[in-house]
Amino acid sequence: NAGVTQTPKFRILKIGQSMTLQCAQDMNHNYMYWYRQDPGMGLKLIYYSVGAGITDKGEVPNGYNVSRSTTEDFPLRLELAAPSQTSVYFCASSRGTGGTEAFFGQGTRLTVV
Amino acid sequence: EDKVVQSPLSLVVHEGDTVTLNCSYEVTNFRSLLWYKQEKKAPTFLFMLTSSGIEKKSGRLSSILDKKELFSILNITATQTGDSAVYLCAVGGTYKYIFGTGTRLKVLA
Repeated sequence: NAGVTQTPKFRILKIGQSMTLQCAQDMNHNYMYWYRQDPGMGLKLIYYSVGAGITDKGEVPNGYNVSRSTTEDFPLRLELAAPSQTSVYFCASSRGTGGTEAFFGQGTRLTVV
Repeated sequence: EDKVVQSPLSLVVHEGDTVTLNCSYEVTNFRSLLWYKQEKKAPTFLFMLTSSGIEKKSGRLSSILDKKELFSILNITATQTGDSAVYLCAVGGTYKYIFGTGTRLKVLA
């Protein structure tokens, strides 16, 4: 019963490098989300998806890209890493947004130096 | 623009105290309001509220929603040091959950 799995757990990037944060869920959820959490702050929505092939921007999408080719996977791409992207990234999934909770992965701690 | 506001931002109490955490919201097409507890890792689910005036309870924690005034409260009675955490409020709109900034609760022994 894996739930939502994120990889890697930790990563250090140099300014200008690129990377992909992986997220997979095995609950057959249509809705998936990427959030970032800066120290002492709540969760800010980066991108979300309501099904394979459908994605949309959240509150803080600049500097990120996503794709959703399957129901299970929702990778987040950072193209030109900047220090402002140092954060903890959480992926989550749900059946919908009413009458159901969002399930979270364990997070990826990213540092850009 | 969708907005979820939590208060207070932080709170320090002593064991045995009762605390009330607040969450107000302005979210298009409200579907649900969720409370989560976060202790240095991923948020863990506490409650989901969809109907006004119906209290949800789990042990010493309880929560209620007022859809007319657009707010919810989370009560914790007889607090323990294990209740120390960040408590997050999230509101489900049409396609997404919007989170508040959280309330950081510290319970002193």
